[in-house]
Amino acid sequence: KQEVTQIPAALSVPEGENLVLNCSFTDSAIYNLQWFRQDPGKGLTSLLLIQSSQREQTSGRLNASLDKSSGRSTLYIAASQPGDSATYLCAVKSGNFGNEKLTFGTGTRLTIIP
Amino acid sequence: KAGVTQTPRYLIKTRGQQVTLSCSPISGHRSVSWYQQTPGQGLQFLFEYFSETQRNKGNFPGRFSGRQFSNSRSEMNVSTLELGDSALYLCASSTTPFTYEQYFGPGTRLTVT
Repeated sequence: KQEVTQIPAALSVPEGENLVLNCSFTDSAIYNLQWFRQDPGKGLTSLLLIQSSQREQTSGRLNASLDKSSGRSTLYIAASQPGDSATYLCAVKSGNFGNEKLTFGTGTRLTIIP
Repeated sequence: KAGVTQTPRYLIKTRGQQVTLSCSPISGHRSVSWYQQTPGQGLQFLFEYFSETQRNKGNFPGRFSGRQFSNSRSEMNVSTLELGDSALYLCASSTTPFTYEQYFGPGTRLTVT
């Protein structure tokens, strides 16, 4: 059974700092890994999708890496801004063909201090 | 291109009632998945539909059911509501189920009293 863990559960950093969010998963047989952000009471916004054959993806100030063999992914946010405050979730798609599921971590609540 | 839409956005029901939630995927997307989000359990997969067929399902009781129509719109039904069913129900769509990115709607907040 796939399990996804995100540490820390909460993080506060001053504006302008670079930061790294961590995600680990127990079963390395994944199809892809996706990072999302969720604002309070809202749905999920997709940030980056990394296919199992890829090592990293970049979008603007965001960079996500994937090390499938060790079951780890990191989300790097450069030059953080107050608007980056949200809960960040990682999710992995795994399972036998025809029974693939997206398993979510519990999230990291990020607060950027102006 | 319009995003994933979910209706209604908020619902209040009493125990024992049933409820139907609706999800309209992004145009051209044929796969729709449903998730339940609660503070205690986080985000949990309910089921996935592709081309009007349920492709797989999570570990929820039979009170939770769904369907997909020929235009890819999907509905989720919960019968005999329990207090523990209070949650944010999220729907996501993708082009196909397999490796593509999932796009989420804003969710339906269900409160059971």
